[in-house]
Amino acid sequence: EPEVTQTPSHQVTQMGQEVILRCVPISNHLYFYWYRQILGQKVEFLVSFYNNEISEKSEIFDDQFSVERPDGSNFTLKIRSTKLEDSAMYFCASIGGGQETQYFGPGTRLLVL
Amino acid sequence: AQSVTQLGSHVSVSEGALVLLRCNYSSSVPPYLFWYVQYPNQGLQLLLKYTSAATLVKGINGFEAEFKKSETSFHLTKPSAHMSDAAEYFCAVGRTSYDKVIFGPGTSLSVIP
Repeated sequence: EPEVTQTPSHQVTQMGQEVILRCVPISNHLYFYWYRQILGQKVEFLVSFYNNEISEKSEIFDDQFSVERPDGSNFTLKIRSTKLEDSAMYFCASIGGGQETQYFGPGTRLLVL
Repeated sequence: AQSVTQLGSHVSVSEGALVLLRCNYSSSVPPYLFWYVQYPNQGLQLLLKYTSAATLVKGINGFEAEFKKSETSFHLTKPSAHMSDAAEYFCAVGRTSYDKVIFGPGTSLSVIP
């Protein structure tokens, strides 16, 4: 069964550094999403992306965040200058091809020191 | 705006006992409803979904949920708990299959031998 993949699985960075989280959505999907889950809390929506542009973003998704689909397969989330509170699990999801459910990747655990 | 509440942040059941995890939602349109399970240090796995077809939905691992519009509920049940069911369970709602998914706060299920 096709699946969404994410790299890296874990990343440790220093506060103020830039990080790029990578996702490979399922190949025939057209809608892409990023969510995050701070440890012990619920999963929160960050941003949705369709047709090479952001279709919706939450209040969490401020100017420090950006998303990009640099080629036909990857979908990235960039955090320009990380803060301690950006420490979380970040999930990528995708949907398309007549599916009714978003497929979630395994997540990237980001730790900002 | 859509929202999800889950009654009980932590539920304990004995092995072999009925599992009942409660979920109530608010939505201005007929919703898409989901239950996801998250095992420790893992990603999100879809248990089942309601997308305006049958109100009783069967999912994986013996779980099922019933959509009750009059009660705005989508409770998750399993007749007989197994030790392997111990995990965090998230109820979630979306307006359409392509809309962002709004997650509830989660219920941690413990199974006592």
